[in-house]
Amino acid sequence: EAQVTQNPRYLITVTGKKLTVTCSQNMNHEYMSWYRQDPGLGLRQIYYSMNVEVTDKGDVPEGYKVSRKEKRNFPLILESPSPNQTSLYFCASSPYPPDQPQHFGDGTRLSIL
Amino acid sequence: AQTVTQSQPEMSVQEAETVTLSCTYDTSENNYYLFWYKQPPSRQMILVIRQEAYKQQNATENRFSVNFQKAAKSFSLKISDSQLGDTAMYFCAFMNHHYNTDKLIFGTGTRLQVFP
Repeated sequence: EAQVTQNPRYLITVTGKKLTVTCSQNMNHEYMSWYRQDPGLGLRQIYYSMNVEVTDKGDVPEGYKVSRKEKRNFPLILESPSPNQTSLYFCASSPYPPDQPQHFGDGTRLSIL
Repeated sequence: AQTVTQSQPEMSVQEAETVTLSCTYDTSENNYYLFWYKQPPSRQMILVIRQEAYKQQNATENRFSVNFQKAAKSFSLKISDSQLGDTAMYFCAFMNHHYNTDKLIFGTGTRLQVFP
């Protein structure tokens, strides 16, 4: 089954404790992306990757890191999480160029106390 | 900067009726792609419809259709014969594939409630 898998689905943690949200896709897609969803703000792109070892900033990259060492994986890293990063996070993938619909993961609800 | 605006935070419609959700965008590009995504309470993101800007014909998917007005930069979604399962957040999105940028920009969403 074609899918984008995010883990964990839910996480409650404390300020400053490094965390990683994993994202994996099994569709051999070149393009992968991370979004955060906040009430009243819609989805905002954090980072995206056009292929292995190629990443670029989206609209809200501050406080986040990503890496793309393998085509299927695109983890999101919060080195020192802060409460303003409490949000719902989505990973997505598509073929490149990304003018095709995105395949989204089920989301990760992150709460930082 | 490219922006997407959804001016209706919430809308409601009675089952079997028709509803239109509005979306406007701002870009100086000529070739781009527009999408409507649906997010039901399960929070999954589901593609509803896709439009290529260079195609004048409005996209249609069963009960869902768009009114794409390129000159006005408008991309509204019409849902005909509304069903209870259409209750969801709806997001309009814009993608301009350029040689050095591949951002996908979303609007703030419209929450649609379908009443029996």
